Amino acid sequence: GESVGLHLPTLSVQEGDNSIINCAYSNSASDYFIWYKQESGKGPQFIIDIRSNMDKRQGQRVTVLLNKTVKHLSLQIAATQPGDSAVYFCAENMNRDDKIIFGKGTRLHILP
Amino acid sequence: KAGVTQTPRYLIKTRGQQVTLSCSPISGHRSVSWYQQTPGQGLQFLFEYFSETQRNKGNFPGRFSGRQFSNSRSEMNVSTLELGDSALYLCASSLAAGTGYNSPLHFGNGTRLTVT
Repeated sequence: GESVGLHLPTLSVQEGDNSIINCAYSNSASDYFIWYKQESGKGPQFIIDIRSNMDKRQGQRVTVLLNKTVKHLSLQIAATQPGDSAVYFCAENMNRDDKIIFGKGTRLHILP
Repeated sequence: KAGVTQTPRYLIKTRGQQVTLSCSPISGHRSVSWYQQTPGQGLQFLFEYFSETQRNKGNFPGRFSGRQFSNSRSEMNVSTLELGDSALYLCASSLAAGTGYNSPLHFGNGTRLTVT
């Protein structure tokens, strides 16, 4: 498959365990944060988003946590499955008129 | 509802040539953005179009251009191709201008451009 990053940080997780992917964002003025998942050969797929006035948001098997004090964002995936294997990107922007800035990505590897 | 469609899926061009990539957004989406993805630089914003007007532009040379049609479909053009233009070019659409909470970008699977 296509490689989206040759030297990405890699997180290896046992199937069935929970995964936590971390992201440090750059701009303290950022108002909106998003997590994307990119599988080999595909474009980024939207997972979940959160606004700066929120600390936590839950979706199906995923939770995003936002800590504005230390400019940190995390994505928690419950009961990790083989289909979760992908590169995960966090992204941020200041407002609707601004472009989205993507992080470098983390590769999630699922161990059988 | 069909997702974002990009054509062609793969392209091989030689230096100095030009190329046009096409993107059809999700039905009803009026904003189209383009990104370049490379292993070294990651995802970098090229430009965004809304209602046939360029709203925002990234830090790319003028060889990179785009346009949007009245049906929201978009094309991007790269002229005088260089080896460094080899990348995955991704198109994304959203309902309204820009992107925000509950109105995220939805990406296509990209066009893989190889310049030899």
